[in-house]
Amino acid sequence: GDSVTQMEGPVTLSEEAFLTINCTYTATGYPSLFWYVQYPGEGLQLLLKATKADDKGSNKGFEATYRKETTSFHLEKGSVQVSDSAVYFCALSFTDFQKLVFGTGTRLLVSP
Amino acid sequence: SAVISQKPSRDICQRGTSLTIQCQVDSQVTMMFWYRQQPGQSLTLIATANQGSEATYESGFVIDKFPISRPNLTFSTLTVSNMSPEDSSIYLCSVGEVRAGETQYFGPGTRLLVL
Repeated sequence: GDSVTQMEGPVTLSEEAFLTINCTYTATGYPSLFWYVQYPGEGLQLLLKATKADDKGSNKGFEATYRKETTSFHLEKGSVQVSDSAVYFCALSFTDFQKLVFGTGTRLLVSP
Repeated sequence: SAVISQKPSRDICQRGTSLTIQCQVDSQVTMMFWYRQQPGQSLTLIATANQGSEATYESGFVIDKFPISRPNLTFSTLTVSNMSPEDSSIYLCSVGEVRAGETQYFGPGTRLLVL
């Protein structure tokens, strides 16, 4: 079945460091790909998305590029802030509102 | 995107009891979903709430345990029945809007602790 694999956490960084959170997927066909973020004590927020190969999603300084050849959607940010500390979920879905399939989540801890 | 609210935001319940969680959206939406997030885990889809018909449940979830209603295009409820400590989780509703493609937006979640 369809699945999403994320790097294990926690990822611990100092403020202004470069961030990469790896995400790869297995799916039949070409899904849409998403990154959601969950801040402490809150629900999920959509961070960015990409709907086809080579698309780049971006928001709040975060970026991710849909790589069909490597079935990946890695999340990057050039300079993290303490306020970016959260759990990040990679997910996929297909059209017609099929269910979101989530990765296990990666906790990011940013220290001053 | 739609504004989604859930009630209650959190609750502590005794085993054997039931809790009904409400999800309200500020606009009509095509699709509504219910997810469960067990402690320290990722999200798992429980069911798709269908307006005017029975919900569509994922493997491992049954209507007797998680009855769902969706009387209109802006409201849905999820009941967690005959609760046990294993039901302690965050329960989240999400919505999908036709104009947003297949993107789902999530409510703030209901944090449930069963003693």
